[in-house]
This record gives sequence, structure tokens and C-alpha cells, in this order.
Amino acid sequence: GAVVSQHPSRVICKSGTSVKIECRSLDFQATTMFWYRQFPKKSLMLMATSNEGSKATYEQGVEKDKFLINHASLTLSTLTVTSAHPEDSSFYICSARDQGTSTEAFFGQGTRLTVV
Amino acid sequence: AQSVAQPEDQVNVAEGNPLTVKCTYSVSGNPYLFWYVQYPNRGLQFLLKYITGDNLVKGSYGFEAEFNKSQTSFHLKKPSALVSDSALYFCAVRGGGTASKLTFGTGTRLQVTL
Repeated sequence: GAVVSQHPSRVICKSGTSVKIECRSLDFQATTMFWYRQFPKKSLMLMATSNEGSKATYEQGVEKDKFLINHASLTLSTLTVTSAHPEDSSFYICSARDQGTSTEAFFGQGTRLTVV
Repeated sequence: AQSVAQPEDQVNVAEGNPLTVKCTYSVSGNPYLFWYVQYPNRGLQFLLKYITGDNLVKGSYGFEAEFNKSQTSFHLKKPSALVSDSALYFCAVRGGGTASKLTFGTGTRLQVTL
């Protein structure tokens, strides 16, 4: 199947700083990528849909100024957590689908963010 | 709005026994149904999908799932469980549009013991 690479896998940052997470589709082009947040022992919560060359679409309740998404190319989307606070600590996962050839989404390895 | 229900937080089964992880769904139109597995601190791995065709679909690692339209269910099954199958399993559904979003169930932790 298609490969989605997410980096970093783990990051610790201080409160008030910003953290950037990258999501790359390695062997296909993705006009759309998705960013999820997963709380402990909980399901995945869709945060936003990242659209190549245009603004991301955020789900209700997700602060767009807090979670900046950039999808500058067909293989790369980034999520920047700005002015991070301890409550932003979570597991963030991206996914993408090769819309030309597959019906299933493929997921990155996830990023464990800890804000201290 | 589409939704997925996984009624069991955890399923326990002995190695070698058959396992079932339950999933029911609600979606407008024909459903696209998926099962994913997640190991600790990892992303989700695709197991299998139902789009159309045979109601019984086979996937990775010996898993299969049966689509039942009348019961709106898509239960995950495996004839003989392995300890290495222990993980968190997610059922997901979306509509047929190319930009349709995936909706996940709350996940079921499968624990396989010797």
C-alpha cells in the first residue's frame, strides 16, 4: 500500500513555543490530507482537512489560529501547533489517500507531542 | 451525519480461539467500510475494506469482516487468534464521494492471552 511518513515521531516543547509536524506522501500525490488528534484511550478526532494550494477546512471547535495547516505541495502537509500549552499534549496523526488508485486512507506513524 | 459504534471497549480471547470485534455504522448512501489496527504509539494500519461485491472480505494477517446491510454491521473476525494480534482496532465509515471524511468508532482493545 501507499506510504505516509510523519515527522517527528516524538517531540517535547516548552509552553509558549511552536511545533511543526510534517506529513509526506512518499509514493503518491495527495491533493487532500487529514489531521487527527487522538486522546488517551479515545478515538481519532478529525481536526482539519488539508487541501493542496488552498486553505484548510477546520472541524467545528478547532482553533485555526492555534493549529496552522499548510499544504504547499502534493506530497507535503504541515501542522504547526502555535503557542503550545500543556493541554495541547496529545498524539497527532495525519492521513492521505491516493484518490486516483485507492479507496482507503493511509496513516502516518503519529507524533507524540508533550508540552511542558 | 455518519457514525460508527464499537460497543465493546475490550475483547479478551485465548490464543487459538476465534475472535470477533463488533462494529455497526450509519451513513447516507452506500457505505465504504474499513478496519484499521493500531499498535502503541503508532499510526493506524489498514486491515481491510468493503466497498462493493462479496459481503465477506478478507484482509491482512488472516482477518476478515462480514458486511451485513440489513443489520448495518461490519464485524471483524479471525478464525484463530494470535497473541501478536493484541492491539487497538478501529472501524471506520465514509460515504462514496472522493472528498468524504472518515468517521471512526471509539476503538476496541483486543487482548489475546496464552
